[in-house]
Amino acid sequence: DGGITQSPKYLFRKEGQNVTLSCEQNLNHDAMYWYRQDPGQGLRLIYYSQIVNDFQKGDIAEGYSVSREKKESFPLTVTSAQKNPTAFYLCASSSQTFPAEAFFGQGTRLTVV
Amino acid sequence: AQSVTQLGSHVSVSEGALVLLRCNYSSSVPPYLFWYVQYPNQGLQLLLKYTSAATLVKGINGFEAEFKKSETSFHLTKPSAHMSDAAEYFCAVTRRLRRNTPLVFGKGTRLSVIA
Repeated sequence: DGGITQSPKYLFRKEGQNVTLSCEQNLNHDAMYWYRQDPGQGLRLIYYSQIVNDFQKGDIAEGYSVSREKKESFPLTVTSAQKNPTAFYLCASSSQTFPAEAFFGQGTRLTVV
Repeated sequence: AQSVTQLGSHVSVSEGALVLLRCNYSSSVPPYLFWYVQYPNQGLQLLLKYTSAATLVKGINGFEAEFKKSETSFHLTKPSAHMSDAAEYFCAVTRRLRRNTPLVFGKGTRLSVIA
């Protein structure tokens, strides 16, 4: 089945450590996105990529980094510079059809202790 | 810039009652509008989308939404709530004229269904 796979589902890290969240899609979508979800805040855009080897900052990119070396993969690194990294992270992708809705992964819940 | 405002962070209805979740949008160009549903600790699932083909849009699970340009609204309704409808619902908007533009989401409305 086609879809978006995020791993791991739960992740615990010590404060000050970098951590990388995985996102893989087999939908052959060009665009991929990372959102952060906090209670009562909705989804806020961290980074997005419309094509391989290119990505743009979203509204809350500080303390995060991404890469897009392959069409299928869009990993997100949460760095030690991110002041409040504990959150639910959602990866999504969309196709070139218009209008293209976003398809979402199951999310990764990151807890920093 | 585009944005959506969801009125009411929490809505509670009785089983069998009408569900009405409100969404108002702000956009300088004709928008595309979406409703998504999220169950606890899961990703988002598309319920329906407005693409200008019809102002009344039918989605999955018996939900529908009506685009009203004069009111800049895209409210989500379901005639009869079911216990399984309890979830969080998000309205989202994107620009009409550009491909692969990220969706902008509202803050969500949590729907509770009382037996």
